[in-house]
Amino acid sequence: GQQLNQSPQSMFIQEGEDVSMNCTSSSIFNTWLWYKQDPGEGPVLLIALYKAGELTSNGRLTAQFGITRKDSFLNISASIPSDVGIYFCAGQMTGNNRKLIWGLGTSLAVNP
Amino acid sequence: EAQVTQNPRYLITVTGKKLTVTCSQNMNHEYMSWYRQDPGLGLRQIYYSMNVEVTDKGDVPEGYKVSRKEKRNFPLILESPSPNQTSLYFCASSPEAVLVWAQYFGPGTRLLVL
Repeated sequence: GQQLNQSPQSMFIQEGEDVSMNCTSSSIFNTWLWYKQDPGEGPVLLIALYKAGELTSNGRLTAQFGITRKDSFLNISASIPSDVGIYFCAGQMTGNNRKLIWGLGTSLAVNP
Repeated sequence: EAQVTQNPRYLITVTGKKLTVTCSQNMNHEYMSWYRQDPGLGLRQIYYSMNVEVTDKGDVPEGYKVSRKEKRNFPLILESPSPNQTSLYFCASSPEAVLVWAQYFGPGTRLLVL
């Protein structure tokens, strides 16, 4: 099945640093989503983006829906140890409301 | 508390021995689905259900069966498990299919098939 190109695959940073990850696709999406999966848990929705160019924040997290509708990025500012986990992007395609296309995830480790 | 529950959380079995992983949600959601998560392959949808008695294949349905006899339950059945079905499985639900992005995930079932 189709998948999104998510990068980087993994990151190891110091507490307090900012983090940036992104997803790209060859297809146009009408919704971009960012999820976080804590160790031993299922993914949890962090941010949903519905419009090209949209910039949305959730606490220290900021995500943007690319103008071309083919990409999105997620920034985490001033990282803390509890930010550890796997971050997934997902897109919902135009005209296919039931299906999400998933990235492979960015694994984040934070050194206190 | 709104939640999706899965049982068992961990399971070790042998090739060919039929098993069922249960999934239940208490939010009166119409849409439910099953995913498997494998290293390097991300989350892949196995089956989904838009409502009671309505199920359809996802991206990787081979070797799996599902049923949706009640709104709250969506069991995943492996009639004859094989080692390549060793994986981490997630059940998820959302209020309706068009809101699939708003799905709640269960805690996961880690399956090892020997």
